[in-house]
Amino acid sequence: IQMTQSPSSLSASVGDRVTITCRASQSISNSLNWYQQKPGKAPKLLIFDAFSLQSGVPSRFSGSGSGTGFTLTITSLQPEDFATYYCQQTYITPNTFGQGTKLDIK
Amino acid sequence: EVQLVQSGAEVKKPGESLKISCQGSGYSFTGYWIVWVRQMPGKGLEWMGIVFPGDSETTYNPSFQGQVIISADKSVSTAYLQWSSLRASDTAMYYCARQARYSKSSDVLDYWGQGTLVTVSS
Repeated sequence: IQMTQSPSSLSASVGDRVTITCRASQSISNSLNWYQQKPGKAPKLLIFDAFSLQSGVPSRFSGSGSGTGFTLTITSLQPEDFATYYCQQTYITPNTFGQGTKLDIK
Repeated sequence: EVQLVQSGAEVKKPGESLKISCQGSGYSFTGYWIVWVRQMPGKGLEWMGIVFPGDSETTYNPSFQGQVIISADKSVSTAYLQWSSLRASDTAMYYCARQARYSKSSDVLDYWGQGTLVTVSS
């Protein structure tokens, strides 16, 4: 299954609302996770089951979608949110990742 | 506290062999799958394969099948990723991660190792 994220990069300001899209090449139900990765660090789980927030993740992060189209939304961007975001499908092995969306400061 | 601790950075020459490790602690190592993820310089995440330490069952991404061997030794709570003949294109950061089932439809990578940087250069 191919996972395609858009955009590949995004510039935004603190306080902005941003949306990242992830599209699957075939239906994956809601077997979709989102991860955040900061430079030099391992990825961190943000959202699983397309919309469930991982424990400890701020509520400004939210996910939606099912089937082939999914979104990650961050409301009121904070300085620590500037990072790269990846979606991952866990419907079929291999559990492929999207190519990533780099979010940087405008 | 759940921890996955990976072995240190490696610098190797093309054609050499290598085995890197990922030791788990703070949880039942035999009860969770371990995934290996590659990240080439400046690139995204690639799911390489998965091993269940309880019985060493392994599944590979077809893109990596035959290129690496994934294994686990439950007696020392450690998973491994090995190469028999490295190439320059194997230069990357390699992460191990614990896969947990959070719901009937969701497997997640909830704990990650710190990464092992492998550099292959003549």
